[in-house]
Amino acid sequence: GQQVMQIPQYQHVQEGEDFTTYCNSSTTLSNIQWYKQRPGGHPVFLIQLVKSGEVKKQKRLTFQFGEAKKNSSLHITATQTTDVGTYFCAGVGGSNYKLTFGKGTLLTVNP
Amino acid sequence: ETGVTQTPRHLVMGMTNKKSLKCEQHLGHNAMYWYKQSAKKPLELMFVYSLEERVENNSVPSRFSPECPNSSHLFLHLHTLQPEDSALYLCASSPKYMGSYNEQFFGPGTRLTVL
Repeated sequence: GQQVMQIPQYQHVQEGEDFTTYCNSSTTLSNIQWYKQRPGGHPVFLIQLVKSGEVKKQKRLTFQFGEAKKNSSLHITATQTTDVGTYFCAGVGGSNYKLTFGKGTLLTVNP
Repeated sequence: ETGVTQTPRHLVMGMTNKKSLKCEQHLGHNAMYWYKQSAKKPLELMFVYSLEERVENNSVPSRFSPECPNSSHLFLHLHTLQPEDSALYLCASSPKYMGSYNEQFFGPGTRLTVL
């Protein structure tokens, strides 16, 4: 079945440094979604990418969808302590268009 | 805040108890989901309902029994659980089940501890 792999599993940065998490799918995706889960909280939908090569920005966050629609990345510029949490990607693909979550990247930020 | 509410927020139960988790969405969505999130595993999709019809059951043990009486409410009935069932149980809804309109809106979750 469809697998969505996410790396790294953990990332610790100093405040002000950049951060990137990568998502790779075993199959071509129709779209990809990104979520953020704060410690002790629940996942919150951030964005959805649909088009090949699409790039979207939300303030310091930049989301990219690969040309082949099999990979995606989330880049945070100049991290802040409020960015702490687990970032999940979730791919929609395959013949049944099911949503499959990656394992997430836990970001910690040292002030 | 998210339009999806869950009760109770915390639950402690013995292995012989029967309890139910409740989820309600106020977003007018057509699909509702139950997920299990534990420390050792990623988000595990348990059940999916689309327009009140169960469309997915991902090899979940029969001690978990879902119920969707209408498109706004979802229940998860629990009985004779095991300690390894302790986890955060998340409910989610989405505008549709498949395609480009299935972004998940999660509730705050129920933290379940099985003694």
